[in-house]
Amino acid sequence: GQNIDQPTEMTATEGAIVQINCTYQTSGFNGLFWYQQHAGEAPTFLSYNVLDGLEEKGRFSSFLSRSKGYSYLLLKELQMKDSASYLCAALLTDSWGKLQFGAGTQVVVTP
Amino acid sequence: EAQVTQNPRYLITVTGKKLTVTCSQNMNHEYMSWYRQDPGLGLRQIYYSMNVEVTDKGDVPEGYKVSRKEKRNFPLILESPSPNQTSLYFCASSPRGASWEQYFGPGTRLTVT
Repeated sequence: GQNIDQPTEMTATEGAIVQINCTYQTSGFNGLFWYQQHAGEAPTFLSYNVLDGLEEKGRFSSFLSRSKGYSYLLLKELQMKDSASYLCAALLTDSWGKLQFGAGTQVVVTP
Repeated sequence: EAQVTQNPRYLITVTGKKLTVTCSQNMNHEYMSWYRQDPGLGLRQIYYSMNVEVTDKGDVPEGYKVSRKEKRNFPLILESPSPNQTSLYFCASSPRGASWEQYFGPGTRLTVT
């Protein structure tokens, strides 16, 4: 079956670094998305990793290890506005275009 | 402005009364998808479409229908809504290609009594 796991909640202090892990077990895997979703709003795209390794975009970085079925999203220099839910999602290959989401990680940034 | 629009944004209806939630994108994207979001369960894919006249089931297609007659529109149809379809629904579109970046609509909050 398909399974995508991420922690339910993480708390960190403004200015700190937080790493959100995502593990996946899927029957076919093409790539891994990260989205940010503020309360009451639609998700917004952060990253899409296909190849192993780290991709950096400003304060946000995303890492993928296909052999380990593992990804993480790294948020640096945390700001209060980073308080949101972070969703990881796998793009599957058994049915091209099919996405499987994790339940989301609620990040709370405290002053 | 590039965007995905959904209508209605909020809907309260009764069990069994057919309804349609519209989704439209103005970015000429090939890929469109519908999701529902429920507390503790995250986003779950209902249906997706790789292009005009090409649709396929996601994880939770039961009780829903879709059509893709034009590239810009991807309506979600609930033929006989039931209370367990009370949820927050999102439509999304993507140009596919290297980034697969999905653009989400603002969401439709549906309550079925």
